[in-house]
Amino acid sequence: DAKTTQPPSMDCAEGRAANLPCNHSTISGNEYVYWYRQIHSQGPQYIIHGLKNNETNEMASLIITEDRKSSTLILPHATLRDTAVYYCIVPPPGGTSYGKLTFGQGTILTVHP
Amino acid sequence: ETGVTQTPRHLVMGMTNKKSLKCEQHLGHNAMYWYKQSAKKPLELMFVYNFKEQTENNSVPSRFSPECPNSSHLFLHLHTLQPEDSALYLCASGTGLADTQYFGPGTRLTVL
Repeated sequence: DAKTTQPPSMDCAEGRAANLPCNHSTISGNEYVYWYRQIHSQGPQYIIHGLKNNETNEMASLIITEDRKSSTLILPHATLRDTAVYYCIVPPPGGTSYGKLTFGQGTILTVHP
Repeated sequence: ETGVTQTPRHLVMGMTNKKSLKCEQHLGHNAMYWYKQSAKKPLELMFVYNFKEQTENNSVPSRFSPECPNSSHLFLHLHTLQPEDSALYLCASGTGLADTQYFGPGTRLTVL
């Protein structure tokens, strides 16, 4: 697996954009970047994934650098309900390895009023 | 009911008890997963099932016994557990062709 590095914690003011960085310098050309989050005592929730183009959905945007060695998850208008642990994961590429997600420590995002 | 459901949500058991955790998914997925999350530790993948066949056992002790009778249901049978097995046990489902997984709310297990 491509190893990922995330800051252990970040703060954000409610209503502001939360930008969560992730380094994955050993990523290979066919490995995707996935983001999940886990609100306290709940199961993780899929947010978004991408390969090399920027992606956007109703929850967030994912910006991947041109060299693919890092990415940023953007929550455009953070709310108190976005307080959670955010995980950046680069799973092994396809075949029989699908679904073998390795969760690290993630980034604890705290959104303040 | 939609998504992934897990029962029971909380379970307290003694070390000599036998209990089972149940997971059900209503998403039409072919793959199901068991994860363990101990206090202050990352989630650990335990088992993977694809089309009812076990494709991954992540060196899990035999006191944890999974069962997947069909693509919609997944069980985790527990026997002679240890206090250190106390954790949040999470079930997830996916298509098996991508890494997008949908998780249930988990079962909080306490072993006395």
